[in-house]
Amino acid sequence: GQQVMQIPQYQHVQEGEDFTTYCNSSTTLSNIQWYKQRPGGHPVFLIQLVKSGEVKKQKRLTFQFGEAKKNSSLHITATQTTDVGTYFCAGRGSEKLVFGKGTKLTVNP
Amino acid sequence: DVKVTQSSRYLVKRTGEKVFLECVQDMDHENMFWYRQDPGLGLRLIYFSYDVKMKEKGDIPEGYSVSREKKERFSLILESASTNQTSMYLCASSYTGAHNEQFFGPGTRLTVL
Repeated sequence: GQQVMQIPQYQHVQEGEDFTTYCNSSTTLSNIQWYKQRPGGHPVFLIQLVKSGEVKKQKRLTFQFGEAKKNSSLHITATQTTDVGTYFCAGRGSEKLVFGKGTKLTVNP
Repeated sequence: DVKVTQSSRYLVKRTGEKVFLECVQDMDHENMFWYRQDPGLGLRLIYFSYDVKMKEKGDIPEGYSVSREKKERFSLILESASTNQTSMYLCASSYTGAHNEQFFGPGTRLTVL
């Protein structure tokens, strides 16, 4: 079945450094979604990418969807302590949404 | 704002007990989902439902059942709780169609002793 791999599993950065998490699917996706889960909280939807090669920005966050629609990335520029949490990608193939295992980001102030 | 609520934030049960986890959403979403979240394993789909009285197995349905008698409510049932079902359980809901992001509830942390 469809699998979504996400790396790295953990990332620790100094405040002000950049951060990137990558998502790869075993099959072509119709869309990909990104979620953020703060410590002690629940996943919250950030964004959805649909088109091949699409790039979207939300302030310091940049989301990309690969040309082949099988991979995606989330890049955070100049991390802040408010960015801590686990970032999940979720890819939709022909049927249901499949979540990656997430990247847990910690930021040292 | 969409609101997804879950009946309990924390729950402690004994092995062999029947456990009901309730989830209610107020946005008239067609789809509802139950996940469990464990460290290092991410979100794993247990069951989902596309409509009232409809249910589909997810990736780890063993030991669980569900009920959806009303559109806004989706219940997860552990027929005979076991210690390996100790976990965080998250309910989510979504529309069908293009804007189908999932809205999650706050979660129920279940401990089975």
